[in-house]
Amino acid sequence: AQKITQTQPGMFVQEKEAVTLDCTYDTSDQSYGLFWYKQPSSGEMIFLIYQGSYDEQNATEGRYSLNFQKARKSANLVISASQLGDSAMYFCAMRGSGGGADGLTFGKGTHLIIQP
Amino acid sequence: GAGVSQSPRYKVAKRGQDVALRCDPISGHVSLFWYQQALGQGPEFLTYFQNEAQLDKSGLPSDRFFAERPEGSVSTLKIQRTQQEDSAVYLCASSPEYQETQYFGPGTRLLVL
Repeated sequence: AQKITQTQPGMFVQEKEAVTLDCTYDTSDQSYGLFWYKQPSSGEMIFLIYQGSYDEQNATEGRYSLNFQKARKSANLVISASQLGDSAMYFCAMRGSGGGADGLTFGKGTHLIIQP
Repeated sequence: GAGVSQSPRYKVAKRGQDVALRCDPISGHVSLFWYQQALGQGPEFLTYFQNEAQLDKSGLPSDRFFAERPEGSVSTLKIQRTQQEDSAVYLCASSPEYQETQYFGPGTRLLVL
């Protein structure tokens, strides 16, 4: 079974500061993928960034980077220079390669609020 | 191009009523997924299609839930004899062949009274 843990239910951050959202995972699969999604109040899940378990370098997409520490089983999302539009729910998710469910396993999310 | 679309966006049903939720994936996407998101929670996997084949339905909560994708494009999630605990947002996602990333639609918010 796979499990995602997000320990920060909510975070308040000043605009333009960097933000780190925590995510730890548990899986017995050797090959897996890790994802971060943003869900604004409108409800749509917006894909942000992907990290494969065999990728040697941390993934980056614009202001988003994924701090992947395989030995610690952590996949933290870093948002540089936060903006007011970054206020939303953020979900960490994973998909394994084993014989379990083919869908993504999500964490409970972190509600990020950017303050001016 | 167009993203994943879902209809209706909102649905109110009386307990015991049957509902059908539609998902139009991104054109050409082979894989299609359905998720259920309860209020304040992360989405939970329901079922997965590759083309028209339903390869995984391990997340469907009961035999009242049924999904189909007969021609390998549009999918319908049907819930029979709805119960109050079925109230949630139902999200559909699709992904192209050989890619991991899933692209989500706006969801259908179902309220069962």
